[in-house]
Amino acid sequence: KAGVTQTPRYLIKTRGQQVTLSCSPISGHRSVSWYQQTPGQGLQFLFEYFSETQRNKGNFPGRFSGRQFSNSRSEMNVSTLELGDSALYLCASRREGQGTDTQYFGPGTRLTVL
Amino acid sequence: AQSVTQLGSHVSVSEGALVLLRCNYSSSVPPYLFWYVQYPNQGLQLLLKYTTGATLVKGINGFEAEFKKSETSFHLTKPSAHMSDAAEYFCAVTRLSGNTPLVFGKGTRLSVIA
Repeated sequence: KAGVTQTPRYLIKTRGQQVTLSCSPISGHRSVSWYQQTPGQGLQFLFEYFSETQRNKGNFPGRFSGRQFSNSRSEMNVSTLELGDSALYLCASRREGQGTDTQYFGPGTRLTVL
Repeated sequence: AQSVTQLGSHVSVSEGALVLLRCNYSSSVPPYLFWYVQYPNQGLQLLLKYTTGATLVKGINGFEAEFKKSETSFHLTKPSAHMSDAAEYFCAVTRLSGNTPLVFGKGTRLSVIA
């Protein structure tokens, strides 16, 4: 079974631009979560989608948004990029989104904001 | 609220020596605990998880962890370190019930010296 895939793997943008990252979950998984990883803050939860609905949201500004499609694929968008948005963005999927479900992570998208 | 503290941002061991990575959690409800490993330029890979039942959990690559409720700990061990174990290790907690996201510790970077 294929794992979680994320595209693109690397991105370079400039301040003020916007960016869209894509995540394809493991087949059969309906929950997709997004995390931001930085050296200073570590791994921080952005949001989770389940059956096309945002179910949980972390403490990030409104510039960070996401959506999920009917095939469970998810995208996250960051508008008006800031230097501090440079990070590794990780997507994780789980089957039903219950606490007992294991989250499986993708390889991440490395975003660099210049 | 839940939280995780990983003692030691960097641990260095000799090849063949015992690996001990410490994790303490805080949770007002029964926790669901994980250890993940991250190799350079990769996503997170699940090592092991604790839900309920047996408190000693065995994972992949010879790692194991013991859940100690009285000490609110979930330390990760491996009897004999291998060069390939060099990576970043993350402890995470979530709730057994409900649909809450993972809360991660800051991570511990393990170096293995030949």
